[in-house]
Amino acid sequence: DQQVKQNSPSLSVQEGRISILNCDYTNSMFDYFLWYKKYPAEGPTFLISISSIKDKNEDGRFTVFLNKSAKHLSLHIVPSQPGDSAVYFCAASAGDFGNEKLTFGTGTRLTIIP
Amino acid sequence: KAGVTQTPRYLIKTRGQQVTLSCSPISGHRSVSWYQQTPGQGLQFLFEYFSETQRNKGNFPGRFSGRQFSNSRSEMNVSTLELGDSALYLCASSSEDSQETQYFGPGTRLLVL
Repeated sequence: DQQVKQNSPSLSVQEGRISILNCDYTNSMFDYFLWYKKYPAEGPTFLISISSIKDKNEDGRFTVFLNKSAKHLSLHIVPSQPGDSAVYFCAASAGDFGNEKLTFGTGTRLTIIP
Repeated sequence: KAGVTQTPRYLIKTRGQQVTLSCSPISGHRSVSWYQQTPGQGLQFLFEYFSETQRNKGNFPGRFSGRQFSNSRSEMNVSTLELGDSALYLCASSSEDSQETQYFGPGTRLLVL
């Protein structure tokens, strides 16, 4: 059973526009959420995270929004750049990050069109 | 379809020993990737196997090795264990027609004493 779901396997966005990647989860015990970015032949790299006590976290062009009642989070990238083309994984944990296992979604491939 | 399975789920070893972890991908998936997850380093890519061949390799020492069998099951071996090898080892599988979509297993938590 997939506890963290990324229902869009791929997404194409024009350069300069906003990219919105979505993630849904089913386990109400999850209280920490992360986004990872992965280039081909490399491992995922950490991008941004959010604790369940917040509903928004911003870091430069990247903003993560959390809607606990809907068990939904999203990653916004504004403006989108060609270097943002990668696979994005959403992950969640129940407990302090690093002490509990992360549960990953299946990933969304983002392609930025120049 | 059954998901990715990993065995064992938990393992305790001592320094200097070696360990073998196993991963069974989703039926029909031929690609298997291994990752190490630690609190300090996050998720790090170890290697990827496809059709019994190592296709990609991360930046880990030669003590970390792997293989894949004809049924796509994969094993990862770590020799001469060090304390720093304590981590959660995740395996992920993907299908040929959707290689970027990775399904992760539950992981094997290794503790080296």
